[in-house]
Order: sequence, then C-alpha cells, then structure tokens
Amino acid sequence: AQSVAQPEDQVNVAEGNPLTVKCTYSVSGNPYLFWYVQYPNRGLQFLLKYITGDNLVKGSYGFEAEFNKSQTSFHLKKPSALVSDSALYFCAVRDIDAGDYKLSFGAGTTVTVRA
Amino acid sequence: NAGVTQTPKFQVLKTGQSMTLQCAQDMNHNSMYWYRQDPGMGLRLIYYSASEGTTDKGEVPNGYNVSRLNKREFSLRLESAAPSQTSVYFCASTSPRGGKNNSPLHFGNGTRLTVT
Repeated sequence: AQSVAQPEDQVNVAEGNPLTVKCTYSVSGNPYLFWYVQYPNRGLQFLLKYITGDNLVKGSYGFEAEFNKSQTSFHLKKPSALVSDSALYFCAVRDIDAGDYKLSFGAGTTVTVRA
Repeated sequence: NAGVTQTPKFQVLKTGQSMTLQCAQDMNHNSMYWYRQDPGMGLRLIYYSASEGTTDKGEVPNGYNVSRLNKREFSLRLESAAPSQTSVYFCASTSPRGGKNNSPLHFGNGTRLTVT
C-alpha cells in the first residue's frame, strides 16, 4: 500500500519569502516521489521527482524538494516565492517495487503568494 | 504536440443519464489512467490501463466502465450518472523509461462534470 499526506490545506507567504509545502509518504518498500502543480481550470503539471541519489532534487520554475528517508518526507521548497506561484500543489508517491505506474496523491495544498 | 486531450471540457447530466468521456494521447505512451478530483480529497484513481488491451480497477471504480480503444485512446463511461459523480475527471498517461516505473504522469486539462 502507498499513501501521501499533505498536512497543510493552505500556505500563505509574501512575495520574495521562502516557500515550503510539506509532504510525508508511506510505502511498503522504497518510493518514487513526485510534485505536481495545478493552475485554475488546468490539468496537473509535473514539477520534479525523486528517484534515487542526491536527496535534494531541483525542478521546474526554481522549485526544489528534499527527500528525507528517516522522516519519510519530501517537502517542496522555493527560496523566493512569486505571486505567479499561487496554485494548488500535489505530492504523489509510487512504490518502486510495484509492477505498475499508479500514483497515489495527497489531498493538495493551496499556495497563495501575496504581493 | 497536443499531449493528452480530453473531451468534453464541461458537461451537465441529469441523474440516470449516461455519457462517455474521451481521452487521447499522442505521446505513444503505454499506460493510461482516469482520476477524479474532489475538494479536499486529492486525486483518486478510477481505472487504469497498463497497456493496450488491458484495464484494471483503481480505488473508486463503482459506477464507471472503461475501454482502451487502441494505444492512443482510453474512454470512461458513466452508465447511469449519480450526483455523487459530480467531479472533475482527469486522464493521464505515461510510459516506462529503461524498464523502470519512475516516469511522471502527463495529464489532460480535465472534464468538469455536474450531475443534477
């Protein structure tokens, strides 16, 4: 079984401040981890993924995420948030040993960046 | 390159009516998926097709059927719509790279369905 928790429904930050969106996961074995962003009335867009290796993963639009195996976390970060980063963010997990490509998603975190 | 295309974009149904949501991808992906998105619940997998000719149930398959028409197309059918099926439906696709299942899903823009 695999699951994801995003403990914050909403995150509000001022433009220029650091942005963090939290994610914890649960899998039977080892995880592949993903972050997606959704803008209003659009589908989900892939931001970045963790497969193996370096625990700090860099992705699109200046986002990065840190994999922490001991805490089973994969928090999304951006050093300096922009108003245009306001969107709905989803964390997702897939068990490495699963024989398929199903992703399990968290409930999502709405990010609002104020000018 | 259109990616994943879903039709229609919006639909209103009355309880008991039927309809089919269409999905097509032009990325030559093997696997295709149908998710529904509801507020506070994230995305839940309805059905998926690991490869052409196969389909399997996801977390919430009741009230739905699917058809993998060919490698490009994967449709979702509601035989008798219910208000509980009011949701936003997303189709997605992916393929393995190097035999590993670490590829991201590519999503369409969704179909917003209201059942009254």
